[in-house]
Amino acid sequence: DAGVTQSPTHLIKTRGQQVTLRCSPISGHKSVSWYQQVLGQGPQFIFQYYEKEERGRGNFPDRFSARQFPNYSSELNVNALLLGDSALYLCASTNTLGELFFGEGSRLTVL
Amino acid sequence: AQSVTQLGSHVSVSEGALVLLRCNYSSSVPPYLFWYVQYPNQGLQLLLKYTSAATLVKGINGFEAEFKKSETSFHLTKPSAHMSDAAEYFCAVSEMRMDSSYKLIFGSGTRLLVRP
Repeated sequence: DAGVTQSPTHLIKTRGQQVTLRCSPISGHKSVSWYQQVLGQGPQFIFQYYEKEERGRGNFPDRFSARQFPNYSSELNVNALLLGDSALYLCASTNTLGELFFGEGSRLTVL
Repeated sequence: AQSVTQLGSHVSVSEGALVLLRCNYSSSVPPYLFWYVQYPNQGLQLLLKYTSAATLVKGINGFEAEFKKSETSFHLTKPSAHMSDAAEYFCAVSEMRMDSSYKLIFGSGTRLLVRP
């Protein structure tokens, strides 16, 4: 079975631009979460979606938004990029036991 | 609010030696605790989890962790380190929030170095 897949794996943007990151959960998982991992730190919770509805939001500005589609895939959008948005963005899908399974991430560099 | 503290940002051991990675948690409710491993340029892989059953939890790759409520600890151990264990290890506690969302709160990580 395929795991959590994320695209793109790497991307470079300049300040002020917008970025869209994509995630496909493990088949059968209905919940998707997004985490930001800045270099040298642990992942920080950004969003959780369940059955296409936002279930939770971390301490991130409104420049960050997300959505989940009927097939449970998800997109994370970040507007007006700042240098500090440079990070590894991790998507995770959750099984019925509450276990999170992470993708390999999208590494965003903002110049 | 829940939180996790990992003592030691770097731990170095010789191949074949005991691995001990420390994690202390703070939680107002019985916690669910997790250890994840991250290899360079990869995502996080679940090593093991504690969900209020047995206090000694066995995971993949020979790792285990013991939940000690009195010490609020969930340290990760492996009897004999292998070169392939070199990676970043994260301890995490789960939080079920008022809005029914579910998130993990991660520690800052411990980088394990294994010397030949």
